[in-house]
Order: sequence, then C-alpha cells, then structure tokens
Amino acid sequence: GQQVMQIPQYQHVQEGEDFTTYCNSSTTLSNIQWYKQRPGGHPVFLIQLVKSGEVKKQKRLTFQFGEAKKNSSLHITATQTTDVGTYFCAPFTGTASKLTFGTGTRLQVTL
Amino acid sequence: DTAVSQTPKYLVTQMGNDKSIKCEQNLGHDTMYWYKQDSKKFLKIMFSYNNKELIINETVPNRFSPKSPDKAHLNLHINSLELGDSAVYFCASSQLGVGEAFFGQGTRLTVV
Repeated sequence: GQQVMQIPQYQHVQEGEDFTTYCNSSTTLSNIQWYKQRPGGHPVFLIQLVKSGEVKKQKRLTFQFGEAKKNSSLHITATQTTDVGTYFCAPFTGTASKLTFGTGTRLQVTL
Repeated sequence: DTAVSQTPKYLVTQMGNDKSIKCEQNLGHDTMYWYKQDSKKFLKIMFSYNNKELIINETVPNRFSPKSPDKAHLNLHINSLELGDSAVYFCASSQLGVGEAFFGQGTRLTVV
C-alpha cells in the first residue's frame, strides 16, 4: 500500500531554531501516532492523537491533529542536539492490527 | 528486562542462503509485527499477527515466511536470500493492534 507523505523529507537546523514536520493523508484517520527514531536506534512512541483538532504538548514538542482528521503536525520549539533523529507519523485508518508509518522526516541539529 | 527482543542484531550472509530472525515480547501483547526499513529509512509493514493468526501480509515475496508458535513469539524465516533483502528488520508488538507499539532493537541483515 501507499505510504502517507511527510514533509519535509529532511531538515537541517541550528540549535535553538524551531522545526515542524507535517503528515498528510488523503483519507480520514481514526487516530494518529508519532514516533522518534534516533540514528542507529529503533522507533520509540511519542504520542497518540484521537480527536479532531486535538493539540497535545510534551515539553518543547507540540502535536496537532487536523480538524478533518486527515493531517497532523509535530512542532519542536528551540531544538536541541538531542532532538536529532527521524520522526514518523503512524496514521491509523481503523483496520485493526495494521500499524503503518509515514515516509518520515529526518532532523539534523547542529551547534 | 527487554520488552521486545530480537536476535540476532547483525546478520551477514551470502545470496541464496536461508536465515531466520527471532522475536519475543514479554508485554503480554496480542499483536506482533515485522517491518522492513530500507536504506532510505522508509518503514514498511511486512506482516501482522494477532493471537498467532496472520492478519496482514503486505505483498511480501513468499520467500519470507513468518511463524508464530505462541502469542509472545513471531519469527521471520527468509529463503533464498537476495541482495535486495539487505535492510534493517524490526519486530514490534502492541495491544489489540491499535495501541502504542514497542519495537525491538532491529536486525541489520546484509546479503553479499
């Protein structure tokens, strides 16, 4: 099946700058999860969004689910070198036991 | 105690060989998955099992055969390995196929 697109594919920022990745689906989603994968590591769950228009914060990370439940974003304020990695959205359409992932956004942060 | 463990972590083998990767989870989850991550870092679902039953098979060549002896284990056997099979393979598990997924450390397979 086709993977959900995330944009940008790659972003390089200086420490302290903000970063946003977007996840866009052509179909309405039941919910969406976000994962982070550090270089050489495995994906680690960050958050799940369920409600239309939902906004959740985790320290410097802000997650948003679109009103139409077709898109989502992850915004990082004042990036740090520890934020380096690839961020994946995992859109869920309602088919149980089918956890698929977006194309990912690789974030590089330099001093 | 590692929640989801995969072995081996690295696997280097010649084309044409058969190899297996093992996965075990101690979280009591009912759903387990295999993913392939290629050099572009795309994470593609290969298989999904729920309570030992195959739920999803995402057009994976039939050289790949998953085996789930029980709810806590999902092994991946690969026959006649090809160069294009080189990738990192991740095992994961979740509850009811909808909750947070926990991933193993990955197996980096290199076919030469």
